[in-house]
Amino acid sequence: AQKITQTQPGMFVQEKEAVTLDCTYDTSDQSYGLFWYKQPSSGEMIFLIYQGSYDEQNATEGRYSLNFQKARKSANLVISASQLGDSAMYFCAMSEGQNQAGTALIFGKGTTLSVSS
Amino acid sequence: DVKVTQSSRYLVKRTGEKVFLECVQDMDHENMFWYRQDPGLGLRLIYFSYDVKMKEKGDIPEGYSVSREKKERFSLILESASTNQTSMYLCASSPFRAGEGEQYFGPGTRLTVT
Repeated sequence: AQKITQTQPGMFVQEKEAVTLDCTYDTSDQSYGLFWYKQPSSGEMIFLIYQGSYDEQNATEGRYSLNFQKARKSANLVISASQLGDSAMYFCAMSEGQNQAGTALIFGKGTTLSVSS
Repeated sequence: DVKVTQSSRYLVKRTGEKVFLECVQDMDHENMFWYRQDPGLGLRLIYFSYDVKMKEKGDIPEGYSVSREKKERFSLILESASTNQTSMYLCASSPFRAGEGEQYFGPGTRLTVT
């Protein structure tokens, strides 16, 4: 069963507009982490933002915020004031388990964001 | 800054060759991971290691093996490369236990098997 679902293969936005990238997840664990990564065309994976399952407040990092709705099992990424350099592939990921050493991330299939001027 | 390096950005190998992909991290992280990335499939976990000489299979371990003799180095081995192993390979490391924080990725190795 797919654990991370990103339903938007591609998104298009104009510079300076806000954009929301969708992510839903499936887990029966109470303790888990949710992540967003950016992958530009150069290939490296850049960590953007993290939300723990017990965090009360939505995570924010600069122009990035994570809209965490636990009951709906969604963890959408919001990018405010888009820039041309935001054009990239974006991956949502989840880490499951409690106190387990080095459990790997489970990734979604990604959303390609294109920002135009 | 955390640094994860991979031995090659691009690699071309022939079918049947034994291939070594090396990954080194300089932050004394306990946990290291190998993923492969294919278009439309996202990243899939091949193997991970949470300590020296320890390894765990991921979702797609068939055709691969790994070695972790030193804490900073995690090697991925393709015993007999096949064309369906043409892919982007990404190594990651993390000091965090499950659900507690991010993984740091290397630049990736784009492997072509002909």
